[in-house]
Amino acid sequence: EPEVTQTPSHQVTQMGQEVILRCVPISNHLYFYWYRQILGQKVEFLVSFYNNEISEKSEIFDDQFSVERPDGSNFTLKIRSTKLEDSAMYFCASSRDRNTDTQYFGPGTRLTVL
Amino acid sequence: AQTVTQSQPEMSVQEAETVTLSCTYDTSESDYYLFWYKQPPSRQMILVIRQEAYKQQNATENRFSVNFQKAAKSFSLKISDSQLGDAAMYFCAYSQTQGGSEKLVFGKGMKLTVNP
Repeated sequence: EPEVTQTPSHQVTQMGQEVILRCVPISNHLYFYWYRQILGQKVEFLVSFYNNEISEKSEIFDDQFSVERPDGSNFTLKIRSTKLEDSAMYFCASSRDRNTDTQYFGPGTRLTVL
Repeated sequence: AQTVTQSQPEMSVQEAETVTLSCTYDTSESDYYLFWYKQPPSRQMILVIRQEAYKQQNATENRFSVNFQKAAKSFSLKISDSQLGDAAMYFCAYSQTQGGSEKLVFGKGMKLTVNP
């Protein structure tokens, strides 16, 4: 069964450094998402992406964040200058259609900012 | 704004028994989707079951079924014949239908323990 994959599984970085989290969505999916989950808290939407542009973003997704689909398979989340409060689990998800199809999640990347 | 509430932070069940996880939500929309996702210790989010609000029939998926009460805005998950592998965090989630926001709105989650 096709699945969403994410790399790395765990990333440790120093405050102020840039990080790039990578995701490979399910191959026939067209809509891509990033969510985050701070330890012990609920999962929060960050951004959705379709047709090479952001279709929706939350208040969390400020100028420090960017997303990109650099090639036909990868979908990346970049945090330009990490802060301590960026420490969280970051989940990528993908779906075939907007809204009507289920979003399938990857295993997550645990980001630790020191 | 839509909200999802899971009022029970933790529950436990004996192996082979049945347990029901509760979820309520708030929306002014008449059509939407509801989901239950499972997050085991590995922390991957796994879809358990999905319900479309326009369908009156409650969704079922093997040992998992829902009790969808649209008027009450309630969406509970019933796990029958509980297994040790069912131990996880369970998240209830909501999304709008076509034309609305694409994001999933999650509840805070509930930790299910399965006792042997």
